[in-house]
Amino acid sequence: DAKTTQPPSMDCAEGRAANLPCNHSTISGNEYVYWYRQIHSQGPQYIIHGLKNNETNEMASLIITEDRKSSTLILPHATLRDTAVYYCIPHSSGNTGKLIFGQGTTLQVKP
Amino acid sequence: DAGITQSPRHKVTETGTPVTLRCHQTENHRYMYWYRQDPGHGLRLIHYSYGVKDTDKGEVSDGYSVSRSKTEDFLLTLESATSSQTSVYFCAISETGGQGNYGYTFGSGTRLTVV
Repeated sequence: DAKTTQPPSMDCAEGRAANLPCNHSTISGNEYVYWYRQIHSQGPQYIIHGLKNNETNEMASLIITEDRKSSTLILPHATLRDTAVYYCIPHSSGNTGKLIFGQGTTLQVKP
Repeated sequence: DAGITQSPRHKVTETGTPVTLRCHQTENHRYMYWYRQDPGHGLRLIHYSYGVKDTDKGEVSDGYSVSRSKTEDFLLTLESATSSQTSVYFCAISETGGQGNYGYTFGSGTRLTVV
């Protein structure tokens, strides 16, 4: 499994874009980059995933560098409800579906 | 979360007693997982199942056993509870082993205290 590096914590002003970086320099060719978040005391929630191309859905955008060694999750207009721990997880189907969580980034959205 | 239910939500038990946690799904998903979450350790995989009667160990399986006799239920048993097993336990389900647009769906968790 690829190792990931994420900053332990970040702050963001409400209404502004939150950009959460993740380094996954050992990612293998068949591993997607998945992002999950965990709001306090709740189970983790899937946000978005991608392989090579940038992706966007109703929750967020995912920017993956051309060499795939890093990615950035973008929450375009952060709200107080986006305060959570965000996890970046390289993952491939050959792993029998095992998601391995790291320590993640605690994002604090401030009014 | 819709489609996945954990029971009980909270439990206090004594050291040395057996405890069983239940995860029930109504999504007919093939894959089911048990994680524990502790401060400073994040989420760690205990056991997982890739079909009825098909289970395997995760990172921290010692002291735990699982059973899956039907698609909808995945049981986690602490054979003889210890204080180190005080934790929040999360169940997760996946149709495709984590791939695809929805990844895993997690339950709301069971908070277990062993005294």
